[in-house]
Amino acid sequence: GDSVTQMEGPVTLSEEAFLTINCTYTATGYPSLFWYVQYPGEGLQLLLKATKADDKGSNKGFEATYRKETTSFHLEKGSVQVSDSAVYFCALMNRDDKIIFGKGTRLHILP
Amino acid sequence: EPEVTQTPSHQVTQMGQEVILRCVPISNHLYFYWYRQILGQKVEFLVSFYNNEISEKSEIFDDQFSVERPDGSNFTLKIRSTKLEDSAMYFCASRFFQETQYFGPGTRLLVL
Repeated sequence: GDSVTQMEGPVTLSEEAFLTINCTYTATGYPSLFWYVQYPGEGLQLLLKATKADDKGSNKGFEATYRKETTSFHLEKGSVQVSDSAVYFCALMNRDDKIIFGKGTRLHILP
Repeated sequence: EPEVTQTPSHQVTQMGQEVILRCVPISNHLYFYWYRQILGQKVEFLVSFYNNEISEKSEIFDDQFSVERPDGSNFTLKIRSTKLEDSAMYFCASRFFQETQYFGPGTRLLVL
């Protein structure tokens, strides 16, 4: 079945560092891909999405490009802030309309 | 901006008791979902609901679970006889036609 694999956390970075969180997927067809973020004590928020190959999703300085050839959707940010500390979930949705999540990557940003 | 709301935010119950988790989806949305996240684990799909019936359910969603849209605004998840392993964060989500699913803030359920 469809699945998402993302890098294990926690990831600890200093403020203003460059961030990459790797995500790869296995799916039939052409799923939509997402990054969700969960801040401490809060629910899931959609961070960005891409619906077809080579699309780039972006929001709040985060970016991810849908790479069909490598089945990847890596999350990047050029300069992280303390307020970016959260758990990040890579996810996909195929034709069956249910979202399949990765295990999540906890990100700690140190001031 | 419209948002999905869920009540209660936290619920503690005794094993074997019934619980009802409530969600108010975004008003013009047509598709409704429940997911759950056991502490420290991934978010898992439970059930999807459209046109007053279940569209799809996971193997987790057994006979102890049911969903209902009792009126035009609420969407509920009922667990008939809770087990310890039902302790989790439960998320409701909704969407309109081809759009993205929007998630609520979750209800943290603790079964003692």
